[in-house]
Amino acid sequence: DTGVSQNPRHKITKRGQNVTFRCDPISEHNRLYWYRQTLGQGPEFLTYFQNEAQLEKSRLLSDRFSAERPKGSFSTLEIQRTEQGDSAMYLCASSFLAAGNEQFFGPGTRLTVL
Amino acid sequence: SQQGEEDPQALSIQEGENATMNCSYKTSINNLQWYRQNSGRGLVHLILIRSNEREKHSGRLRVTLDTSKKSSSLLITASRAADTASYFCATVFGSSARQLTFGSGTQLTVLP
Repeated sequence: DTGVSQNPRHKITKRGQNVTFRCDPISEHNRLYWYRQTLGQGPEFLTYFQNEAQLEKSRLLSDRFSAERPKGSFSTLEIQRTEQGDSAMYLCASSFLAAGNEQFFGPGTRLTVL
Repeated sequence: SQQGEEDPQALSIQEGENATMNCSYKTSINNLQWYRQNSGRGLVHLILIRSNEREKHSGRLRVTLDTSKKSSSLLITASRAADTASYFCATVFGSSARQLTFGSGTQLTVLP
């Protein structure tokens, strides 16, 4: 096992286009998280899955954002009608079992919206 | 936002010196974690301290937690150039809390 992976690593898109990111967590981890990080700031929580159930969503996650984890393994984050303000690093993390455990982060997907 | 704040925002030291970073937060926590992030990369977990613990060590790292002051500190001893990175504290609130709430980070530069 090599840890959390994210694809693509970089994405450049034009405003108004849709983009989709993928996260593959550590295989035995049942919890998966999405965060967004802008330059010079700490990551901000977007949403969280336990197995295939999406249990929490931040108010940062507007209607243009949707996340899925259909089989409780990999997850996708889609942004529709991208805006320049969506430009950020999108980080995925996974963890095992109990709440409050350490989270293992992927390398992130850097999105640039032109 | 329940985001914590790190202090200082930036710190520059010579190799071999100790580096101390502080974190303050606003409400009662379940635990507090420190993460490191190299430029443009993902975060790496360093250490977790629970609300009923006061001090924890891991290699060259020492973390303290003062719940009465709602603050924590991270000490890196005998720093190395490879320690150059951003350091974030992250808190977990409540008994069923899951997500991490991050501070804005301290940028540490260790000069060779």
